[in-house]
This record gives sequence, structure tokens and C-alpha cells, in this order.
Amino acid sequence: EAAVTQSPRNKVTVTGGNVTLSCRQTNSHNYMYWYRQDTGHGLRLIHYSYGAGNLQIGDVPDGYKATRTTQEDFFLLLELASPSQTSLYFCASSDEGASYEQYFGPGTRLTVL
Amino acid sequence: LAKTTQPPSMEAYEGQEVNVSCSHTNIATSEYIYWYRQVPHQGPQFIIQGYKDYVVNEVASLFISADRKLSTLSLPWVSLRDAAVYYCIVTDRGQGGRALIFGTGTTVSVSP
Repeated sequence: EAAVTQSPRNKVTVTGGNVTLSCRQTNSHNYMYWYRQDTGHGLRLIHYSYGAGNLQIGDVPDGYKATRTTQEDFFLLLELASPSQTSLYFCASSDEGASYEQYFGPGTRLTVL
Repeated sequence: LAKTTQPPSMEAYEGQEVNVSCSHTNIATSEYIYWYRQVPHQGPQFIIQGYKDYVVNEVASLFISADRKLSTLSLPWVSLRDAAVYYCIVTDRGQGGRALIFGTGTTVSVSP
């Protein structure tokens, strides 16, 4: 069974605060993704990566940085958090195999006051 | 990437079969159809994928029209645990991992 974990599960910060969300996958997958989910918008892609040191820009990247330090670890950084970034964040991973199934983590709920 | 259109919500009773439709009129020849579902407080979970005709697995079946512009996810004998948001996604599988574009999906409610 594929495994994607995220930490923290819940985070509260203030406007202007510095936040790092962590994601680890133990699937040996090359691809990892960060999404945010807001009511009325479904999931929207922030950034993704196809390997350590690689970063690709997603659909809603403004205000976010990301870094892929190893094949297993993908971080999402909010350096000056704003209330508009209050959301539920999901990390996912996938390989380049035929099924192209994405495995999602349990999510991190971030509140920016 | 082809855009998809799904009904916003559906209701069913336990034991019924639920059919969720998805329109993808601009689907390209290189694109495949994926279905995911998401229950509250969890990330989306893959259900099934297909390119044409009919696909079945232990969870669901997927029917794709001959022109590939319409697909229908069929959930047999739904239970309360099948209450979720169901997402239809069309994407090109041919170039390795590719980000998925999630719409707002179809919320399926199941009553006892």
C-alpha cells in the first residue's frame, strides 16, 4: 500500500508568519505534488516535482515556494503567510508507470489569522 | 487538457446502483479518463481509469461512449461509506507523471 504522510496535520499562524508544510512518501515515486483545497474550487495545484532538486510551477503558485530535497521529501513554504492562504493542503505522489495513479496524504489544515 | 462537466450532486439509498456521468467533449486522442473520490477529512483516492469501452475493477465500473465524449462511473450496491465527492479527470498519461486538474466533482449522498 502506498504511503504519503504530511506534517503537521493542523497549523495556526498569524499574517506575515513563516510556515513550512512537510510531505514524505515511501513509494519510491518520482513525482510529488502540492494541492490546496477550498470550498467551491476543488483541488488546485500549487507546485510539483519530478525528482530531487526539481520544481515545476502549478496553477496557483503565488505566495508559495517549494523544495524537493530527496526523492521522499517535498516541502511547501509560506514565507509571508496571508489569510487568503488559509486552506486544506494535500500532498500526493505518483510514478511513471502505466496506471499513473496519484496517492494522496491525509492533508494539513492551515489557518492564517 | 480536456475540461469535464459533472452533475453537482446525486442522492441514493443504500443498496442502489449509482451512475455518475461526466462529459468531456474536447477529449484528445492521447487523454485518459480517471475517477477519484474523496470522503470528508481525507485526501482523494483513485477509483478507476479507462481509455475506451468498458472497464471494471473490484470497486466500480466505467463505461466510455464510442466517441469518448461521455463516461459513466457505476457504483453497484452503494453503502453509507460510498458517500463522497467523485471527481472525473481527463489527462494525458503518455508523458510520465502529470498533475491532475480537479473540478468541483459530484457529491454523492447515501441514505439508509
